[in-house]
Amino acid sequence: QQPVQSPQAVILREGEDAVINCSSSKALYSVHWYRQKHGEAPVFLMILLKGGEQKGHEKISASFNEKKQQSSLYLTASQLSYSGTYFCGASNTGNQFYFGTGTSLTVIP
Amino acid sequence: DAGVTQSPTHLIKTRGQQVTLRCSPKSGHDTVSWYQQALGQGPQFIFQYYEEEERQRGNFPDRFSGHQFPNYSSELNVNALLLGDSALYLCASSSLAGGSKDTQYFGPGTRLTVL
Repeated sequence: QQPVQSPQAVILREGEDAVINCSSSKALYSVHWYRQKHGEAPVFLMILLKGGEQKGHEKISASFNEKKQQSSLYLTASQLSYSGTYFCGASNTGNQFYFGTGTSLTVIP
Repeated sequence: DAGVTQSPTHLIKTRGQQVTLRCSPKSGHDTVSWYQQALGQGPQFIFQYYEEEERQRGNFPDRFSGHQFPNYSSELNVNALLLGDSALYLCASSSLAGGSKDTQYFGPGTRLTVL
């Protein structure tokens, strides 16, 4: 039931863009995105509740396609502070929550 | 406004022992979820508490149990510790009454090492 993320890892130079995908085999009630830096707790980025709705957070936005059970996270003009592991999280009942497989993102100068 | 707090931050136990981890949710939140995160892995859902009841449980054995108190704080208990229980244990709080009811905020975690 764990959502699958792609790519597993990506290296960017400052200012480049990236897309992280999250795909589930189960119907999704909502999709969440988190960023976790090494040794720290996950930090909430955004939640998507409606199909096709895009949410934004500074230069980070996301989309959610209910029919395809997929979500994508878009990072534009990446900054060094964007480095970390990104997790999507999916709730199919509103009660139980599954984190995705994770995507390691490294931004270099 | 205090966020989610957890105690202790680090803990070392030996196999067979029992451990209790504590979590205080963010102000205004009434739901607490617990996760286990092994090194290099994503967090795995253990269970969720709301109104002092376990609402949902992940694929964890009965050695893992919990409790929620009237003030919404929560405890995670693990009995008969195994080496494989070594992990970062994360607590997340949310509000079922809130508009974005699934939004979860995480505490800093408790790093448990079992020797």
